[in-house]
Amino acid sequence: GENVEQHPSTLSVQEGDSAVIKCTYSDSASNYFPWYKQELGKRPQLIIDIRSNVGEKKDQRIAVTLNKTAKHFSLHITETQPEDSAVYFCAASISGAGSYQLTFGKGTKLSVIP
Amino acid sequence: ETGVTQTPRHLVMGMTNKKSLKCEQHLGHNAMYWYKQSAKKPLELMFVYSLEERVENNSVPSRFSPECPNSSHLFLHLHTLQPEDSALYLCASSQSGLDEQFFGPGTRLTVL
Repeated sequence: GENVEQHPSTLSVQEGDSAVIKCTYSDSASNYFPWYKQELGKRPQLIIDIRSNVGEKKDQRIAVTLNKTAKHFSLHITETQPEDSAVYFCAASISGAGSYQLTFGKGTKLSVIP
Repeated sequence: ETGVTQTPRHLVMGMTNKKSLKCEQHLGHNAMYWYKQSAKKPLELMFVYSLEERVENNSVPSRFSPECPNSSHLFLHLHTLQPEDSALYLCASSQSGLDEQFFGPGTRLTVL
């Protein structure tokens, strides 16, 4: 089955700096890679996702890159703000009808220091 | 409340108790999930229901018993749990064929 490794487990940055979280996956058939943000005491929420037919996707201060050959993908947050402090989870799955298994990484606790 | 709701939000139970967790989704989705979230571990998928039929069961102990009476409701029946079962139990839903899963707020379960 799929295995997703996520690094680092904790990350502290100064407000305004950039943050990068990296994930690797094992199943070359995986083609859908979402990132979820979970604030303290709240539910995980999808913030961005990428599919294997693209190498990069951006949404304002958030971007995700995918290297299919190396089987790794990364989340980039620029100009970090205190409200970016949360736990971020990467995941991988095989997209399509009949497929439901999202395999998650262990999470990265991001702290943005004002 | 819109989206995915879960009740109760907090539950403390003894090892001999029987309790149930409830999940309801108001998004018109046809797939529902139970996840377990423990400290310093990845989210673990426990059960998946699609169109009210169980499609995945990831080697979960029989002391956890799911029920999906319709596409909007999902239950997790608990009996004779162990202290290591203490965790946050998250429900999620999605539309079959689409990838994004929407999570509920979770039930924080403590087994004494």
